[in-house]
Amino acid sequence: EAGVTQFPSHSVIEKGQTVTLRCDPISGHDNLYWYRRVMGKEIKFLLHFVKESKQDESGMPNNRFLAERTGGTYSTLKVQPAELEDSGVYFCASSQLGPSYNEQFFGPGTRLTVL
Amino acid sequence: AQSVAQPEDQVNVAEGNPLTVKCTYSVSGNPYLFWYVQYPNRGLQFLLKYITGDNLVKGSYGFEAEFNKSQTSFHLKKPSALVSDSALYFCAVRDLTDSWGKLQFGAGTQVVVTP
Repeated sequence: EAGVTQFPSHSVIEKGQTVTLRCDPISGHDNLYWYRRVMGKEIKFLLHFVKESKQDESGMPNNRFLAERTGGTYSTLKVQPAELEDSGVYFCASSQLGPSYNEQFFGPGTRLTVL
Repeated sequence: AQSVAQPEDQVNVAEGNPLTVKCTYSVSGNPYLFWYVQYPNRGLQFLLKYITGDNLVKGSYGFEAEFNKSQTSFHLKKPSALVSDSALYFCAVRDLTDSWGKLQFGAGTQVVVTP
């Protein structure tokens, strides 16, 4: 079974540019989460999709971040325009619908560097 | 608000010695608790979880964790560490009142096992 995949693995952009991160969850997983780890600190929740619907986007830092999940399959996270403080590792995770203690399966992350 | 604390940035241990990685938590209700490990250039891998029942939870790769409600702790342990256990370990909590399952992570503890 294929795991959660993320693309690209690394991205280096200049302040003011746009970047789009992609996440492909495990097939059949309706829950999809985005998290971010900045500057070696804790991993922080960004948002949660159930199928194609945003269930919880309380962790999104500001309106420069836009997440979509077309057709309830893969998801994209766009940062426009990128700022220096957006640098970090962006993780995607997926899980099956059901009890909230279902484990989340994480992708390898996308390391974003904004110069 | 829920929070997770991992008081040690790094733990150093010699191969064959016991390994302990500390974690304390704060939630408004009863918690679900998780440990994840991140090897270099890999995504977070699930190690174990506490939902209810026996306070001692056994997980992957010989790891176990003990839930202590009075001390609000969930320390990760391994009786005999291996060099291959060197990685970044994250403790996470989910509040039972949160039906959608977002995780609150600690800042991570780097484990270094020397031969």
